[in-house]
Amino acid sequence: SQTIHQWPATLVQPVGSPLSLECTVEGTSNPNLYWYRQAAGRGLQLLFYSVGIGQISSEVPQNLSASRPQDRQFILSSKKLLLSDSGFYLCAWGGGGLVPYEQYFGPGTRLTVT
Amino acid sequence: AQKVTQAQTEISVVEKEDVTLDCVYETRDTTYYLFWYKQPPSGELVFLIRRNSFDEQNEISGRYSWNFQKSTSSFNFTITASQVVDSAVYFCALSEAVKAGLIFGKGTKLSVKP
Repeated sequence: SQTIHQWPATLVQPVGSPLSLECTVEGTSNPNLYWYRQAAGRGLQLLFYSVGIGQISSEVPQNLSASRPQDRQFILSSKKLLLSDSGFYLCAWGGGGLVPYEQYFGPGTRLTVT
Repeated sequence: AQKVTQAQTEISVVEKEDVTLDCVYETRDTTYYLFWYKQPPSGELVFLIRRNSFDEQNEISGRYSWNFQKSTSSFNFTITASQVVDSAVYFCALSEAVKAGLIFGKGTKLSVKP
């Protein structure tokens, strides 16, 4: 069966510090991968998606970036965090291909920028 | 533009009551997919159901049922004989293509009291 891991589970970082969140998927090959952010009062927002290694598309311009160095690894980064980056970050995977089937979410990382 | 509206922000019921969560969507595509997710207090999003735009059959799974009506652009979710464990935030979502990810409504927080 497929499982998705995210770490760390919680993170408190000062403004201006760097960020690296990692997501890995097991039990599937060539998945589509996604990063979402859930901020208080703003719902769930798609940040990045990837249909393959090195292929990243950004949905929202911001100071975050994403990378996919391996087939089942997805990393969310920032060089300098802003207060507005606080939120709950969720990684998800979906079946590879062009049909948007359901996505399965990881446990999330709760980020607080102070 | 695509949009999902969940007009009910919070609903509170007593155990064993039936409850319906409303979802209205907007899309210009003729092919699209609709989803419901459950987010318990732990934060992880749990997939419940996917519906394709060309399949208007209603579905029942145990105490859960879904009513999809293209004529009113609605995809409502009913929980029969609610239980305390049903307490969570429920999200309705829409997807037209892989690159768009999931477009979520703002969620409905359901509280089931014993």
